[in-house]
Amino acid sequence: EVQLVESGGTLVQPGGSLRLSCAGSGFSFNDYWMSWVRQAPGKGLEWVANINHDGREKYYVDSVKGRFTVSRDNAKKSLFLQMNSLRAEDTAVYYCAREFPPMITFGGAPDSWGQGTLVAVSS
Amino acid sequence: DIQMTQSPSSVSASVGDRVTITCRASQGISNYLAWFQQKPGKAPKSLIFAASSLQDGVPSRFSGSGSGTDFTLTISSLQPEDFATYYCQQHNTYPFTFGPGTKVDIK
Repeated sequence: EVQLVESGGTLVQPGGSLRLSCAGSGFSFNDYWMSWVRQAPGKGLEWVANINHDGREKYYVDSVKGRFTVSRDNAKKSLFLQMNSLRAEDTAVYYCAREFPPMITFGGAPDSWGQGTLVAVSS
Repeated sequence: DIQMTQSPSSVSASVGDRVTITCRASQGISNYLAWFQQKPGKAPKSLIFAASSLQDGVPSRFSGSGSGTDFTLTISSLQPEDFATYYCQQHNTYPFTFGPGTKVDIK
C-alpha cells in the first residue's frame, strides 16, 4: 500500500523558516516525480512545487520561487520542502503527493496523497 | 500561467442524480487534465488522469471527457459518499494549476 506521511508543520513567525518532510513507503520511491500542494484555510488547492526522480529538475509556483526549495533523499524515501522568509499567506495545509505515472520525463498529476501538515505563519 | 475555471461553483443534487462538472483551461492542454475529490478535513483523492482514465479503485459511475480546453467530469448516479468538492488540475505547463473547485451538496 502506498503511504505518504508528512511532518514538520507548526506555528512560525513571519520571516521564519521551516522544513517539511514526507516519508514514502509501499512503492519504488525513486521511480516517481513528487510534489507539494497546499491549501489555505477555507480555500482551494494550490500546486507549490515538484521534483523529478533524481532531484535534478525542480519547478515552483511563482509565489514561492526564491523562498522555498524542494529536495529529496531517495535512499531514505523522503521528500522535503525548505521554506524560508515565510509570510502570512503561506499559512496552509501542505500535502505531499506522488505524481503518476512512474518514470516520466515531465511532471504528472498526483495519484496518491499524504494526510497533510499544517503550517501557520503568524506573530 | 494557465487559468483553470470550473462551473458550476456549487451544485445541489439528490442521490441518484446525474451530475456534470465542467472545467475549462485558458489555453490548450491536450489531455493533461486530472480530477480530484476532497471531503472536509481530508486529503484530496485522485479520481481521473489523462482526462478520461479512472484511477484504480474509483467507481465506474465517475467518468471524464474532453481534450484541448474543455473537459467534463460526470457522476452518472450520485451516491451519498459522493458529496464533496471536486477539483480539476492541468499538468501540461508549469506552474501546474488547479481549478477553484465545485462543491456538490445535498439537495
